[in-house]
Amino acid sequence: DAKTTQPNSMESNEEEPVHLPCNHSTISGTDYIHWYRQLPSQGPEYVIHGLTSNVNNRMASLAIAEDRKSSTLILHRATLRDAAVYYCIPLNYNQGGKLIFGQGTELSVKP
Amino acid sequence: GAGVSQSPRYKVTKRGQDVALRCDPISGHVSLYWYRQALGQGPEFLTYFNYEAQQDKSGLPNDRFSAERPEGSISTLTIQRTEQRDSAMYRCASSLAASGITDTQYFGPGTRLTVL
Repeated sequence: DAKTTQPNSMESNEEEPVHLPCNHSTISGTDYIHWYRQLPSQGPEYVIHGLTSNVNNRMASLAIAEDRKSSTLILHRATLRDAAVYYCIPLNYNQGGKLIFGQGTELSVKP
Repeated sequence: GAGVSQSPRYKVTKRGQDVALRCDPISGHVSLYWYRQALGQGPEFLTYFNYEAQQDKSGLPNDRFSAERPEGSISTLTIQRTEQRDSAMYRCASSLAASGITDTQYFGPGTRLTVL
C-alpha cells in the first residue's frame, strides 16, 4: 500500500483559497487518489478522487502531479464549515475498497 | 434518502461482557466496511463484505472480534469478552458497487463504545 505524507495542520482565512498537499511517492500506476474529510464529531465524508487528470466537482478540485507522486486538494473559497481533517488516500484494486487513513491535515479556517 | 445508520449510538459495558454493534447500510449498497477510530486518530480498517461474503478481515485485532452480514444487508460487529483497550468509535460505511476503487464510501454516525 502506498504511503502518504501530509502536513499535520494548516490555517486559512475564510473566503480564501486553500491548497492542501499530499505526497504519495510510492504510489503505483493504477492507484486512484481519494480525498476524504472528517468534520468535528462526524464520520468521514468523500470529497473527490482522481487517477491522472485534474478533477473538479462542486466541493473541490484535485490537481495531480504529472509524475503522480503528489497531489493537491484545492478548496476555492474556504468557509468555516470546511474546518476538518483532510485525508489523502491512495487506493488500488488489490485493496478492494479498503481505505487506509493516515494522520491527515487538520484545516482550521479563521473568520 | 436514508443514510447509513448504526445502533446503538453509545454503548457502555463492563470489562468481560460481549457487545454487538449494528450497521444498517444504504439500501442497495453491495459493500459494507467496518472501521475503528481512536480519539485523535484516523479511522482504522477492520473488515468488509461484498453482499454477504466477508472479503477481508485482516484488520480485526484478534479472535474476540467477529462480523457477519448474513443476508447481504444489515451487519453486526461482535466483540466478545471486552477489554478497556476496545474502547473507541466504531464506524460503518457502505458503497454501491462491489469493492469498487472509484466508489464513494458513505459513513454512518458511529457507535461510541466505552469499556469500564
